[in-house]
Amino acid sequence: RKEVEQDPGPFNVPEGATVAFNCTYSNSASQSFFWYRQDCRKEPKLLMSVYSSGNEDGRFTAQLNRASQYISLLIRDSKLSDSATYLCVGWMDSSYKLIFGSGTRLLVRP
Amino acid sequence: EAGVAQSPRYKIIEKRQSVAFWCNPISGHATLYWYQQILGQGPKLLIQFQNNGVVDDSQLPKDRFSAERLKGVDSTLKIQPAKLEDSAVYLCASSLDFGRAYNEQFFGPGTRLTVL
Repeated sequence: RKEVEQDPGPFNVPEGATVAFNCTYSNSASQSFFWYRQDCRKEPKLLMSVYSSGNEDGRFTAQLNRASQYISLLIRDSKLSDSATYLCVGWMDSSYKLIFGSGTRLLVRP
Repeated sequence: EAGVAQSPRYKIIEKRQSVAFWCNPISGHATLYWYQQILGQGPKLLIQFQNNGVVDDSQLPKDRFSAERLKGVDSTLKIQPAKLEDSAVYLCASSLDFGRAYNEQFFGPGTRLTVL
């Protein structure tokens, strides 16, 4: 079983839609989580951190449920520029490394 | 502030050939990472340096891959000999320090390797 698992998508949504991505992790020792965004043929960039209390940044909301080992990312009022792959990432305190999921691809259409 | 620099951006080689990639991290960043990203997958850490010392190389295929960061600044990753399955994007990243989740890692543009 992969340590961080995501639905690969693609999610194909119209502009203005609300879309949610989910991610599950297998190692309960993972303490911190992040969402990274990766545009086509570009490098990953940090989008936001994920806290148990929830984290909101404009149209983006991230949530962590430790009991279910589940992470979510909600994007409201989707823009064309949101089209990208969203990588769910866990931080391993035991080994000081980031573990990346395979990513969920989002396509926002006009 | 300049970002992480990598070269070359693209490389095509035949299997069993050798190839080397270069990375220059953000100035002042002590920690440097090399990741392999195969198409359709997330980046996988190959090796992590703190200054010029190796912190973690547990996922580096040491029979064919090697990396160094001799002066604690730029780094090279070498593959010798290359296999078809080495076709991937090789990403270099750097952070101010390591050991804490919130030491943000900044990625370079990557080197896209195709092994024929």
